[in-house]
Amino acid sequence: QFALTQPASVSGSPGQSITISCSGTSSDVGAYNYVSWYQQHPGKAPKVMIYDVSNRPSGVSNRFSGSKSGHTASLTISGLQAEDETDYYCSSYTTSSTYVFGTGTKVTVL
Amino acid sequence: EVQLVESGGGLVQPGGSLRLSCAASGFTFSSYWIHWVRQTPGKGLVWVSRIKGDGINTNYADSVKGRFTISRDNAKNTVYLQMNSLRAEDTAVYYCARGAYGLYYIDSWGQGTLVTVSS
Repeated sequence: QFALTQPASVSGSPGQSITISCSGTSSDVGAYNYVSWYQQHPGKAPKVMIYDVSNRPSGVSNRFSGSKSGHTASLTISGLQAEDETDYYCSSYTTSSTYVFGTGTKVTVL
Repeated sequence: EVQLVESGGGLVQPGGSLRLSCAASGFTFSSYWIHWVRQTPGKGLVWVSRIKGDGINTNYADSVKGRFTISRDNAKNTVYLQMNSLRAEDTAVYYCARGAYGLYYIDSWGQGTLVTVSS
């Protein structure tokens, strides 16, 4: 089971929008609409930001949105803020009834 | 409030064994899948295993299959991860996490316990 592929880093200026991609295969991202996204600050446990490709849990800012096309999912952060600067991971349920995480993306606010 | 508290981490030699525990509170424990996810310091998240609320259904990542065993005691609201034949590459912070009810993502995480495999 190989990790989903994410860009190592993405950056943007305050107020801008950025998009993080998450590339998988027909056995994970392409198989189901069970992609989730997690935010992780240094030394802290991850926090879910998006689930089932595009759903936001209660309490998560509507600046975060998700989508999917084929084997690639995306997380978009609109109106970028300094507090968004941290690591982000995608995850997908797989056809083997397991889960796989992405390689992780460091977001930098310029 | 959902709480997940891991324990049992520590230093172990290659080839050795260790058992992690995850004590849960604040929710109906037997209704939820519980996962273990690990993270090598400074690196990414890696899914390890999960167990269904009834304790019957389990799944494992290929990298740990045959070496790790997940189990649970619903009377004690505790999940275990028995780790055998440990390797240096198993060194990581191990997080216990709750699967969202009826859905396919993790909605709550513990703070993690560090496992170091080294001679």
